Amino acid sequence: EMQLVQSGAEVKKPGESLRISCKGSGYIFINYWISWVRQMPGKGLEWMGRIDPTDSYTNYSPSFQGHVTVSADKSISTAYLQWSSLKASDTAMYFCARRDSSKGDALDIWGQGTMVTVSS
Amino acid sequence: DVQMTQSPSSLSASVGDRVTITCRASQTISNYLNWYQHKSGKAPKLLMYAAATLQSGVPSRFSGSGSGTDFTLTISSLQPEDFATYYCQQSYRTPRTFGQGTKVEIK
Repeated sequence: EMQLVQSGAEVKKPGESLRISCKGSGYIFINYWISWVRQMPGKGLEWMGRIDPTDSYTNYSPSFQGHVTVSADKSISTAYLQWSSLKASDTAMYFCARRDSSKGDALDIWGQGTMVTVSS
Repeated sequence: DVQMTQSPSSLSASVGDRVTITCRASQTISNYLNWYQHKSGKAPKLLMYAAATLQSGVPSRFSGSGSGTDFTLTISSLQPEDFATYYCQQSYRTPRTFGQGTKVEIK
């Protein structure tokens, strides 16, 4: 079964750093880019950025550029989303998703989500 | 960025109703338009890609149409499991952008 499995919920304080993960299985990980999507409480989906696991080339939304870093370790089929200094406004559910170029770049497989809570 | 605008933002409908959701792009995106269904606490699910192609395993009561800037998602006969929030997303330009969502509620 093709799937993305994300790391568990996190509770952090403002200013702390964090890295969450997304592990792919059941398919050839390097053949598909991984995107990250945010959903703030009560709000809609926002595309944050993406990575090509083959060479770690990245694109970011201007809204997130400079505040998060997307990375990947193809040897363990895992993508990451990290913050160096969290803010309360980073409290949200974060999803990773696989981009399928044969389907018009749609996001066809999604992780279950990682809830990040930032509170003092 | 390509702005995606969905309408309506929410709707109330009954089981068996025909439901149509529209999505408009701020510039032409050819047919690079995808639709997702999202239920609270779960992962979003891809319904349609390339504007009109049904994702494998998605019931045929879902259909999509459009090209350029205007798109629609239609549910021909609403079922209890279809109550959810629906998002369009363009995959023509980076950054990829989503519509604000349409919440389909029980009437």
